[in-house]
Amino acid sequence: EAQVTQNPRYLITVTGKKLTVTCSQNMNHEYMSWYRQDPGLGLRQIYYSMNVEVTDKGDVPEGYKVSRKEKRNFPLILESPSPNQTSLYFCASSQENTDTQYFGPGTRLTVL
Amino acid sequence: QKEVEQNSGPLSVPEGAIASLNCTYSDRGSQSFFWYRQYSGKSPELIMFIYSNGDKEDGRFTAQLNKASQYVSLLIRDSQPSDSATYLCAVRRSGDMRFGAGTRLTVKP
Repeated sequence: EAQVTQNPRYLITVTGKKLTVTCSQNMNHEYMSWYRQDPGLGLRQIYYSMNVEVTDKGDVPEGYKVSRKEKRNFPLILESPSPNQTSLYFCASSQENTDTQYFGPGTRLTVL
Repeated sequence: QKEVEQNSGPLSVPEGAIASLNCTYSDRGSQSFFWYRQYSGKSPELIMFIYSNGDKEDGRFTAQLNKASQYVSLLIRDSQPSDSATYLCAVRRSGDMRFGAGTRLTVKP
């Protein structure tokens, strides 16, 4: 089944404890992206990647890192999480030069 | 000013009516325009995308784009209770995507 998977789905952590949210797609998509969704603010893009080893900042990259060493994986790294990074995070992917973006199921992160 | 603006709603229409959702954007360099639907607690799913001025129809959905006015809309004909969801407008310049905050639509039986 074609899908985007994220892990973990739910995470409660404490300020300053490094964490990684994994994202993987099995559709051989070139484009991958991370978003956060907060009430009243909608989806905001954190980082995106047009292909392996190519990443670019989105609208709200501060406090996040990403890497794209393999086509299928696009992990989101929070080196020192803070409470304002409490949010619902979505990973998405699409084929190059198409705009049908497939979203993962979301990761609900709480930073205490 | 937000880059992508939508009325937050809620928008309520009776079953069978036409629901009209509107969106304006500020970046004239935007190239692609999207409507996503998001049910509560679920991921966004793409309904339609449009690139050129004019209308694009897909079943009960019609997307309309007016680049001069920086305006994109979504019409849902014969609205069904299952259409009740939050509708997200998004614009894309190259790799970067900007979403509106969404309009919550309720279709009443």
